Parts: sequence; C-alpha cells; structure tokens
Amino acid sequence: SQQGEEDPQALSIQEGENATMNCSYKTSINNLQWYRQNSGRGLVHLILIRSNEREKHSGRLRVTLDTSKKSSSLLITASRAADTASYFCATALPLHGSSNTGKLIFGQGTTLQVKP
Amino acid sequence: SQTIHQWPATLVQPVGSPLSLECTVEGTSNPNLYWYRQAAGRGLQLLFYSVGIGQISSEVPQNLSASRPQDRQFILSSKKLLLSDSGFYLCAWSESRYGYTFGSGTRLTVV
Repeated sequence: SQQGEEDPQALSIQEGENATMNCSYKTSINNLQWYRQNSGRGLVHLILIRSNEREKHSGRLRVTLDTSKKSSSLLITASRAADTASYFCATALPLHGSSNTGKLIFGQGTTLQVKP
Repeated sequence: SQTIHQWPATLVQPVGSPLSLECTVEGTSNPNLYWYRQAAGRGLQLLFYSVGIGQISSEVPQNLSASRPQDRQFILSSKKLLLSDSGFYLCAWSESRYGYTFGSGTRLTVV
C-alpha cells in the first residue's frame, strides 16, 4: 500500500483564501517532500522538510511535520488561480546497496482548484 | 546544470506491440534512477529503480521491464503491451547533492 495518504482528495476554494492539505505516512522517514503537478505535466518539487524539523516556510508555502503522529500538512496562503494543481507528499525510504538518496513513495494527492 | 530528458511526450500503441521509453540524465554521475507510472487521477506508483549500471529493482509485478545500459540512461520496455499499461510514465533521478528531479513524462495510450 502507499506510504503516504493525503486528504482531502479534492479541495475547491476562492482566490485569496488559504488551502490546507494533509498527509499521513506509515514508516520512519528521513525527510518528507511536497510536489506539485499541473494537469498532465511533470512534477515540480516544492519543499522538503527533514525529520528533525517541525516547520518550514517557502514564500506562501508553510509545511509542518509531526513525526509522533506521522503526519504533515501543506498550507498555501493567499491562494491564486495559478495554484490550481495536484499536490503530492512523498517520503524517502532507504535503498539497499545505495548510500545515495532513497526511493520516493508518493501519496494519492490532493487536487486543488482555486476559483478566480 | 542537471537536466533530464524523457521522450516521447505522447505515444499511442496497439495492444500486443512492443514499447521502449528512454530517459537520459545530464550533469550528474552515478545517480539513482526511477520509473514511475501514474494512472488517471491517481498518485505515482514506483515501478523500477536502479542504483547503478545493470542494477534494476522491480517494485511491483507487471508486464514491463527496465534496463540501465549506461550510467545516465534508463529504459522502460515491454515485449507486448496490454491495455492496462496505459498511463503517464515519469522518469526521475536523485543524487545526494541535488535531491530529486523528474522528467516531463510520457503519456502512453494502449489501444
């Protein structure tokens, strides 16, 4: 089964409102990452939060991580129509035989629609 | 700079035909390489990963195979496509210094 599960599956808000998406995972992690995908396109990395961090900011994005609850949230403040996309959380699991980065396991994603 | 090339962008193939999708990476050496598939409206499922030349690990049983003939080349193949192979295929690479980078994807429709 998927390592990450997100909710809600879909979210529709008005421009200017805040959008919050949540992600839960199952195993211990080194870091958790959030990605954005515009319809039919590749993934864009948004932000990475390490397991020893509790909160991280990047522009209008705020990510929290609660390792005791194995959960993370992504907050987009003052949303814009251009924020309409699918958002995925992903956790990195170690790979045998590699000291490099681990393999990313993704959640099912949250589809965000921001209405102008 | 680090870049990833994935082609073609769109592919329509008949059932039973072979498949070969290629992904190449520039600007890094000995990266980890990955193939993901995304069904419509779903998340990304990891299909294969490779930690070195000739080293392939499969995450899920399926009709596909992968090969890494060169350090920065990753190929996804099938001898006979099934309808269920349709989807959006994404190649990615990762390396400690640079994190993860995804290609632009190939949308495969099996008809």
